[in-house]
Amino acid sequence: DTEVTQTPKHLVMGMTNKKSLKCEQHMGHRAMYWYKQKAKKPPELMFVYSYEKLSINESVPSRFSPECPNSSLLNLHLHALQPEDSALYLCASSEGLAGYNEQFFGPGTRLTVL
Amino acid sequence: GIQVEQSPPDLILQEGANSTLRCNFSDSVNNLQWFHQNPWGQLINLFYIPSGTKQNGRLSATTVATERYSLLYISSSQTTDSGVYFCAVERSGGSYIPTFGRGTSLIVHP
Repeated sequence: DTEVTQTPKHLVMGMTNKKSLKCEQHMGHRAMYWYKQKAKKPPELMFVYSYEKLSINESVPSRFSPECPNSSLLNLHLHALQPEDSALYLCASSEGLAGYNEQFFGPGTRLTVL
Repeated sequence: GIQVEQSPPDLILQEGANSTLRCNFSDSVNNLQWFHQNPWGQLINLFYIPSGTKQNGRLSATTVATERYSLLYISSSQTTDSGVYFCAVERSGGSYIPTFGRGTSLIVHP
């Protein structure tokens, strides 16, 4: 099974709302990633978790708060977002960070901030 | 950081045509992947190919690591091949941050 799942598929939220994006994989992967993708642009890395610890934070604003409750789950908590945060949010996983590191992506959550 | 350039940026084909997409990178790489992003946003793995040649049906890919480029060949294109093709690399001895190219947008007309 090479599937990464993400919920919800679509999310509309106001600037004062708090919401969470969820990502799950059952491939036994130990690295998980959040990406943000704006229209007609490549995915931009936001966070990397390795063995459930935050390994990389690409200077993401604190209104985005990642969480890795266990090796299969990755959450992204959203609070006080701005309209420019509207984008496709993609989750990915890989076996680890070193050596063979093929990434598998989920279908994404399309976020609209009003 | 490593620079990744993809060409052409846009490509329009008639169904049945063949095409070659190119990915140039500026430094040695540990990992290189080709993805197809369909119109719904899903990134689909095509090839994991830091070096060598692989084939999967109508698609094949070649990476010449010493010359710092990779090619993706699409033969007998179909309308379902439409979408954006991304190359993503990870620099050797780097910080495990994948770097994506800007993609090639492919439209296949029936």
